[in-house]
Amino acid sequence: DQQVKQNSPSLSVQEGRISILNCDYTNSMFDYFLWYKKYPAEGPTFLISISSIKDKNEDGRFTVFLNKSAKHLSLHIVPSQPGDSAVYFCAASANAGGTSYGKLTFGQGTILTVHP
Amino acid sequence: NAGVMQNPRHLVRRRGQEARLRCSPMKGHSHVYWYRQLPEEGLKFMVYLQKENIIDESGMPKERFSAEFPKEGPSILRIQQVVRGDSAAYFCASSQGQGPAPQHFGDGTRLSIL
Repeated sequence: DQQVKQNSPSLSVQEGRISILNCDYTNSMFDYFLWYKKYPAEGPTFLISISSIKDKNEDGRFTVFLNKSAKHLSLHIVPSQPGDSAVYFCAASANAGGTSYGKLTFGQGTILTVHP
Repeated sequence: NAGVMQNPRHLVRRRGQEARLRCSPMKGHSHVYWYRQLPEEGLKFMVYLQKENIIDESGMPKERFSAEFPKEGPSILRIQQVVRGDSAAYFCASSQGQGPAPQHFGDGTRLSIL
């Protein structure tokens, strides 16, 4: 059962334009969402997160939008740069009890290619 | 380097041998998580530990796999009697653990089974 889905295996964008990566989830217990970027032979690098009490979070060129009713989140990168070319994973987490958050459930990833 | 440190980066074992993977969390982080990425797949959760305690091992295979995070020293993921299907990238992450907080990942250990 794939609880977090990224339905687009790949996305190609021109430098300077907007990149929009999408993610859907099915588990209504998820209340904390993250985006990671991953280069080959490296670990995932944290980009940005959002708690379910918000519907938008912004950090520089990266903005994450959360639509709880649709169980959908998206990552916008503006403007896109060639160095953004990587695999992007969305991930979700739920409160594991008390104040701690437990495991991340990852999507399958989307390969973003930004052309100069 | 204050990031999550994993070693070794690459590990080659023959079938039937034991593999030990080590992870030192970021400074100030007391929560450690292990994930596995099989070829052509996404990252899958294995186990979540705090110092001297296993909090969630729902993603661990029932046999041959174990994990610990002792009071002193790194977290260890141990795979006994390795088989070809254990070949994967194993990633460790750590977090502060208080409230929702991002997990920060190491660069992984790539395990190859001959």
